[in-house]
Amino acid sequence: QVQLQESGPGLVKPSQTLSLTCTVSGGSVSSGSYYWSWIRQPAGKGPEWIGRIYTSGSTNYNPSLKSRVTISVDTSKNQFSLKLSSVTAADTAVYFCARALSGIYHDYWGQGILVTVSS
Amino acid sequence: SYDLTQPPSVSVSPGQTASITCSGDKLGDKFTCWYQQKPGQSPVLVIYQDSNRPSGIPERFSGSNSGNTATLTISGTQAMDEADYYCQAWDSSTYVVFGGGTKLTVL
Repeated sequence: QVQLQESGPGLVKPSQTLSLTCTVSGGSVSSGSYYWSWIRQPAGKGPEWIGRIYTSGSTNYNPSLKSRVTISVDTSKNQFSLKLSSVTAADTAVYFCARALSGIYHDYWGQGILVTVSS
Repeated sequence: SYDLTQPPSVSVSPGQTASITCSGDKLGDKFTCWYQQKPGQSPVLVIYQDSNRPSGIPERFSGSNSGNTATLTISGTQAMDEADYYCQAWDSSTYVVFGGGTKLTVL
């Protein structure tokens, strides 16, 4: 059974960089069958896709966030990470990591981590 | 950008059929899926590739996608199906887009 677990600070100051890590167990980020995604969900709203990464390191990002987002993968640790720069209160949300079957369908999700942007 | 439109809410009586729609320009040409999300939980994939059910998802969940509309159908709706449902589409230019969500109430 694949499990994903997000970790990182729950509070980030405005203008700083949000950094999260997703640790995968029961599966490998090196598997060629999947992409690995970051998705966020503000309170009371629908999910918003942030971006995805393949085991090769190839990435795709949401055009609306592309200038501020970096997703990377560490196959030795079976982890992938998210960095979102120049955050504002609008970036406050629950952040999920997920496995993307065929790069499209998110079949396994982490439990999510609430990140609040506030001074 | 690409937008997906869902009705904010749908109500259904237990045992009846619930249909939740998702509309977008030429949506039938894109890959779609559906997620169920209960309060305080992570989304769960219930339909992928328009009409396929992942392992462990009950047969009462089905999907279709044609023209500008994708539809999630829940036959014999049960109280446990009460949740928020989100459609998701993918294409090579916009990548992953989510709908705004539909709250399904089982009365």
